[in-house]
Amino acid sequence: ETGVTQSPTHLIKTRGQQVTLRCSSQSGHNTVSWYQQALGQGPQFIFQYYREEENGRGNFPPRFSGLQFPNYSSELNVNALELDDSALYLCASSPLAGAYNEQFFGPGTRLTVL
Amino acid sequence: QKEVEQDPGPLSVPEGAIVSLNCTYSNSAFQYFMWYRQYSRKGPELLMYTYSSGNKEDGRFTAQVDKSSKYISLFIRDSQPSDSATYLCAMIWGSNYKLTFGKGTLLTVNP
Repeated sequence: ETGVTQSPTHLIKTRGQQVTLRCSSQSGHNTVSWYQQALGQGPQFIFQYYREEENGRGNFPPRFSGLQFPNYSSELNVNALELDDSALYLCASSPLAGAYNEQFFGPGTRLTVL
Repeated sequence: QKEVEQDPGPLSVPEGAIVSLNCTYSNSAFQYFMWYRQYSRKGPELLMYTYSSGNKEDGRFTAQVDKSSKYISLFIRDSQPSDSATYLCAMIWGSNYKLTFGKGTLLTVNP
């Protein structure tokens, strides 16, 4: 059984560019949540996908969008990057929406926007 | 006022000390309470999960919830250098999908 993996590990972009981050959920998990963790802060919920549908969204603008695929892997897309988007982006998978005691986080993708 | 408040520290203790980490919250609807440990350059790892007032023990870790005071704590007994990490409290209510985290407390246990 593999854990949650994310790619890339880190990347550097410039303001105005677009970025796609990827997450492979743990085997048997159909729910993926994405979080943004700025330096020195706790993770902030971006959105959750359950069986390929968006299941809830935090206070992030529409330029943050996502997808979940039939194999339950997921992508986070951010358009028109801003300096404040620099952060660690975490995805977490769980076997059911709401099963937070069985939710596992990936190692994150560190995004730097210059 | 933020929904979840957590003292960011840093907190430095000698090996073997008892560590107390705390969070307060303002949303009385929160029902489920979690503590995560996050090592540098890693994702958070769930340590404790509880949904009722009182204490829950797991090895050297004890989670305490006081819903009347809107206050949760994590105690670490016989702390080890390997416990050095950032500790995050998190909470959620009902069928809500949104996990709300505190800022995290950076703990260093010195040998």
